[in-house]
Amino acid sequence: EVQLVESGGGLVQPGGSLRLSCSASGFTFSRSVMHWVRQAPGKGLEYVSAISANGKDTYYSDSLKGRFTISRDNSRDTLYLQMTSVRTEDTAMYYCVKEPYSGSYYDYWGQGTLVTVSS
Amino acid sequence: IVMTQFPDSLAVSLGERATINCKSSQSVLYSSDNKNYLGWYQQKPGQPPKLLVYWASTRESGVPDRFSGSGSGTDFTLTISSLQAEDVAVYYCLQYYNTPRTFGQGTKVEIK
Repeated sequence: EVQLVESGGGLVQPGGSLRLSCSASGFTFSRSVMHWVRQAPGKGLEYVSAISANGKDTYYSDSLKGRFTISRDNSRDTLYLQMTSVRTEDTAMYYCVKEPYSGSYYDYWGQGTLVTVSS
Repeated sequence: IVMTQFPDSLAVSLGERATINCKSSQSVLYSSDNKNYLGWYQQKPGQPPKLLVYWASTRESGVPDRFSGSGSGTDFTLTISSLQAEDVAVYYCLQYYNTPRTFGQGTKVEIK
């Protein structure tokens, strides 16, 4: 059974940093392109970032302006999102998402981890 | 690619048809494989989105056959042929033709 379990969310002050993790199981993590998608409270879904299976290629939403960094550890089956210089508009549920194969749709989503940016 | 859904919300009687539309700002039909890179997701309150349809018209395993997707190029439709109480949710389209992936703004389906 595919499982994606996010962690690391919480309350952070504007300008602060946070690292999200996503622990994967039930599939061959090292062969899967992985993504982060977020959803602000009461709002729609927004693409955040993606990383290739070997970690060499990364993609980011233009709106992030270099503040976030996606990475992965295939030896630990774990995906990360390092968030820096966070803003109130980064407040959202952050979902870890996988593709069944490269260049395809999202088939499994984690339950999400909530990040709240507030002073 | 900008994805626009309409309507933003709709109320349908139990057992009646619900139709949700999604339009992309450019074609998501890949000529090399003749596939539309378009998916549909259902999200219920407090839950992550769930995949319903991919390649515009392929129903995910386990999804009831009252859900169907259609369309090609830039215009797509998700149809719920006979609305059930458990179908109350927000529905999103997603283009995976290129990166960044983009979602429609969502359509909220309620019972009339």
